[in-house]
Amino acid sequence: DSGVTQTPKHLITATGQRVTLRCSPRSGDLSVYWYQQSLDQGLQFLIQYYNGEERAKGNILERFSAQQFPDLHSELNLSSLELGDSALYFCASSSLGGPWQFFGPGTRLTVL
Amino acid sequence: AQSVAQPEDQVNVAEGNPLTVKCTYSVSGNPYLFWYVQYPNRGLQFLLKYITGDNLVKGSYGFEAEFNKSQTSFHLKKPSALVSDSALYFCAVRDMDYGQNFVFGPGTRLSVLP
Repeated sequence: DSGVTQTPKHLITATGQRVTLRCSPRSGDLSVYWYQQSLDQGLQFLIQYYNGEERAKGNILERFSAQQFPDLHSELNLSSLELGDSALYFCASSSLGGPWQFFGPGTRLTVL
Repeated sequence: AQSVAQPEDQVNVAEGNPLTVKCTYSVSGNPYLFWYVQYPNRGLQFLLKYITGDNLVKGSYGFEAEFNKSQTSFHLKKPSALVSDSALYFCAVRDMDYGQNFVFGPGTRLSVLP
């Protein structure tokens, strides 16, 4: 158990809908990262937050947005969903000065 | 910009034989290097890291990796493979001088055959 939690574990929705994925980092970790893992794209970095502020942006679509709240949990919002958004979404956290990340179990999103 | 290559999509090895999963990287500055393993329907688990010091680093489950600066490689190794090592392995690099973003390789699927 990495200490990073993600909810829900599975999410099934329809095209055009909007969903919110939630992540709680390890206790004390200030950085949260979001990744998308799909069969054809591998593990893609989406976005990083550090202590509530956006720190780095990767291949995140404009339809997607994220935020980190004062209690350090983070939410990834996916809107106008398309079939191609079906993937595993991982959250990871790291501590200040800690060189590596701890990953959550992921949320499997299926868009029908 | 930093990048990571894992030249083999799939590696097959017989149980008890040594295994190697290859990784090469490209960074502008000082690299931190990592290996993660992903079992089916699970998140990524940290295996080992190279930060500085000895080029041979030891990690979890008997894995080790060798940092080679001249060849910009960080290959994962294990002297004797187990069937339970079968999983998806990711190499990752973090450029500590430029941006410090994590970049993951595409992954290598390891199959250990009994």
